[in-house]
Amino acid sequence: TQLLEQSPQFLSIQEGENLTVYCNSSSVFSSLQWYRQEPGEGPVLLVTVVTGGEVKKLKRLTFQFGDARKDSSLHITAAQTGDTGLYLCAVMDSNYQLIWGAGTKLIIKP
Amino acid sequence: NAGVMQNPRHLVRRRGQEARLRCSPMKGHSHVYWYRQLPEEGLKFMVYLQKENIIDESGMPKERFSAEFPKEGPSILRIQQVVRGDSAAYFCASSPLGPTGETGTEAFFGQGTRLTVV
Repeated sequence: TQLLEQSPQFLSIQEGENLTVYCNSSSVFSSLQWYRQEPGEGPVLLVTVVTGGEVKKLKRLTFQFGDARKDSSLHITAAQTGDTGLYLCAVMDSNYQLIWGAGTKLIIKP
Repeated sequence: NAGVMQNPRHLVRRRGQEARLRCSPMKGHSHVYWYRQLPEEGLKFMVYLQKENIIDESGMPKERFSAEFPKEGPSILRIQQVVRGDSAAYFCASSPLGPTGETGTEAFFGQGTRLTVV
């Protein structure tokens, strides 16, 4: 079983719609990162959440860290075609190893 | 502050040749990670290094693959006697100092080296 479970695995919606993707675990983390990877490129760090219940906004993207610091969500408002990509959540374990979710592949149709 | 720099971006090698992939971490970062990614697949961990030390190489194939992160200069991922199955995108990431740094939980990725073995 994967330490970080991301859902859905795949999401295809029309431009202008809202969406939420999730990153869940049974473990508690001191922090969690969200990345976006576009085809042919390396993952780009979007945000790090640290405090339980924390909400961070990045333009139309809203990131939330669960109160118990076991899960996180990413909400996109009024999705645009430029939001298309693979969204990955990750945590760093006590040995400074990155642990990845399998990702949510998001396609925004014009 | 420049980001993580990887070169070359694209590398073509014939079977049996050697491939050398370079990664210069962000300034001040002493942790380097190498990942491999096949098309439509996730990132597969290969090796984690700190300056002059290999911390975890559990994801590295036992043969033909080696990595180093010298005191001076970039980290190098070396693949000897390449085979077609080595064709993939190889990504490097760096993160800042761990226990004594203010932050140690974020990793920043380079744009990758796409290796094609013909």
